Amino acid sequence: GQQVMQIPQYQHVQEGEDFTTYCNSSTTLSNIQWYKQRPGGHPVFLIQLVKSGEVKKQKRLTFQFGEAKKNSSLHITATQTTDVGTYFCAVASGSARQLTFGSGTQLTVLP
Amino acid sequence: EADIYQTPRYLVIGTGKKITLECSQTMGHDKMYWYQQDPGMELHLIHYSYGVNSTEKGDLSSESTVSRIRTEHFPLTLESARPSHTSQYLCASSVGLANTGELFFGEGSRLTVL
Repeated sequence: GQQVMQIPQYQHVQEGEDFTTYCNSSTTLSNIQWYKQRPGGHPVFLIQLVKSGEVKKQKRLTFQFGEAKKNSSLHITATQTTDVGTYFCAVASGSARQLTFGSGTQLTVLP
Repeated sequence: EADIYQTPRYLVIGTGKKITLECSQTMGHDKMYWYQQDPGMELHLIHYSYGVNSTEKGDLSSESTVSRIRTEHFPLTLESARPSHTSQYLCASSVGLANTGELFFGEGSRLTVL
């Protein structure tokens, strides 16, 4: 199946600091989705990126899709304690009709 | 809010028991999935379905089986549970067949096999 690497695995930040997680693939992607899973919860969809070089913003969250459609990033500006959780990318490539999830980045925000 | 429901939320059973995890969605989605997730770890696709009477195995080999007799219902069954089956099982659905749309997840079923 599709291989995707997500880094870092863990990130501890002080409240107010920025945070970025990266998702990398060796193959060209059809699209990429980002999900957030709170501790003890289930993944919740954040956004989908489809176009090369696409940038989307949701309040303090900025999502980017690389020009070659092989990588993506999620950036959070001025983290808050409500941002705590694990952020997963999920990718599809070629004719694949199901998503492959990255290993996730677990974010801890210290007050 | 997504309308996808899983029962039971928590289950503790002994080795060798047969269990069925229920998953229902009221959104009319054609595609449904089962993912297995250990605490703090990534999600592994174990089964998926594109519609009634369609079931496929996912990337992660699993001893569980699934059925899709009705669009809204996608139960997962373990004929003989073992401690290695202890995990969280997440059901999801999505709209559309030709592309990979947004996944709506249930709250999960946490299974512990003693």
